[in-house]
Amino acid sequence: QVTLRESGPALVKPTQTLALTCTFSGFSLRTSGMCMSWVRQPPGKALEWLALIDWEDDKYYSTSLKTRLTISQDTSKNQVVLTMTNMDPVDTATYYCSLGYNNDRWGQGTLVTVSS
Amino acid sequence: QLVLTQSPSASASLGASVKLTCTLSSGHRSYTISWHQQHPEKGPRYLMRLHSDGRHSKGDGIPDRFSGSSSGAERYLTISSLQSEDEADYYCQTWGTGIQVFGGGTKLTVL
Repeated sequence: QVTLRESGPALVKPTQTLALTCTFSGFSLRTSGMCMSWVRQPPGKALEWLALIDWEDDKYYSTSLKTRLTISQDTSKNQVVLTMTNMDPVDTATYYCSLGYNNDRWGQGTLVTVSS
Repeated sequence: QLVLTQSPSASASLGASVKLTCTLSSGHRSYTISWHQQHPEKGPRYLMRLHSDGRHSKGDGIPDRFSGSSSGAERYLTISSLQSEDEADYYCQTWGTGIQVFGGGTKLTVL
């Protein structure tokens, strides 16, 4: 059974760095063709793709946010980590991790509020 | 540039059918997309993958009322026998070399 669970701080201050962890089970990210993404959704707005990491450890980023994002994996812990630097109130959103190029499995999401 | 375009809203009556549209940008009409459903205050749920030839494969537990079809750059999600629980936001999504893209979403109201 595939499960994804996001974790991280609920509140960060402007200019701080956000670190989110997606802990998964039921599959191996080292399997050929596998990948995982981070997607966010500001309140009342659409889904926005942020970053993707694949089974070869290749990493891809949203063009508009690439200077602020880093995605990495810890295969021993079955975790994918996203860091986002220089947080701003406009980054307030629910952050999701998802599985596959189709995003055919989603975590429940974690709400991150950026406020001083 | 890879872009997905969706109408912001749609509505249909209980028990009727509705067809939602997702349009691929020029030069990308062969792309496979996915459809996702999102109820208010809930996370997205994967519905199906939809190919340019109309073949589609649904996620676990997705009712037969949900189907997909394609025509050119258009990708469609048809929901038949609408139920109140189908009222939700629907997003299309695709991927290219090093990028994923979501449409802006369609808010479906069941009257």
